[in-house]
Amino acid sequence: DTEVTQTPKHLVMGMTNKKSLKCEQHMGHRAMYWYKQKAKKPPELMFVYSYEKLSINESVPSRFSPECPNSSLLNLHLHALQPEDSALYLCASSQEVGRGNIQYFGAGTRLSVL
Amino acid sequence: RKEVEQDPGPFNVPEGATVAFNCTYSNSASQSFFWYRQDCRKEPKLLMSVYSSGNEDGRFTAQLNRASQYISLLIRDSKLSDSATYLCVVNIGGGADGLTFGKGTHLIIQP
Repeated sequence: DTEVTQTPKHLVMGMTNKKSLKCEQHMGHRAMYWYKQKAKKPPELMFVYSYEKLSINESVPSRFSPECPNSSLLNLHLHALQPEDSALYLCASSQEVGRGNIQYFGAGTRLSVL
Repeated sequence: RKEVEQDPGPFNVPEGATVAFNCTYSNSASQSFFWYRQDCRKEPKLLMSVYSSGNEDGRFTAQLNRASQYISLLIRDSKLSDSATYLCVVNIGGGADGLTFGKGTHLIIQP
């Protein structure tokens, strides 16, 4: 079983809703990541946090807002999403950012936007 | 040119056979290389890291050729449970620390 826990597992929301995805790890990792995966496509990086600071934002629309309240938690706040945002959202963590650091993935939140 | 390229397959292979996948990457500054496995509707799971010296883990062998910028994965004595999508993954490093995934190779082991 993965040591990166994501909640909820499934989420259905309307385009006017505000919701949040949560990710938690207790491996003492200092880097955390959000990826988006559409069906039959590979995961695509959205955000990277290193020591609770946002270090990479891969030109993600502002309707996705990440937050890292502490070293164990990573949230993704969602607002005014579009149906094309429906996807599997994966959280990952690694010991640090940088060369050789293995990323471990959570089971994901499957999001449907109606 | 795509950053990480793989043959999407599917590869249909009889149980017990040996199967090999290759993957090429375009960025010569890439620093870390991995094979991940992803089952249908599940998260990617690390299969193995890939080193220039090659590495082996049971029935799985991975090789890296930096000069030609390709990575390979060999699966011997394939099992039904090996059926999955195998993702070739590269970390460019140097601050760009997310992983870049290939599109994956779909493997089906047939009884």
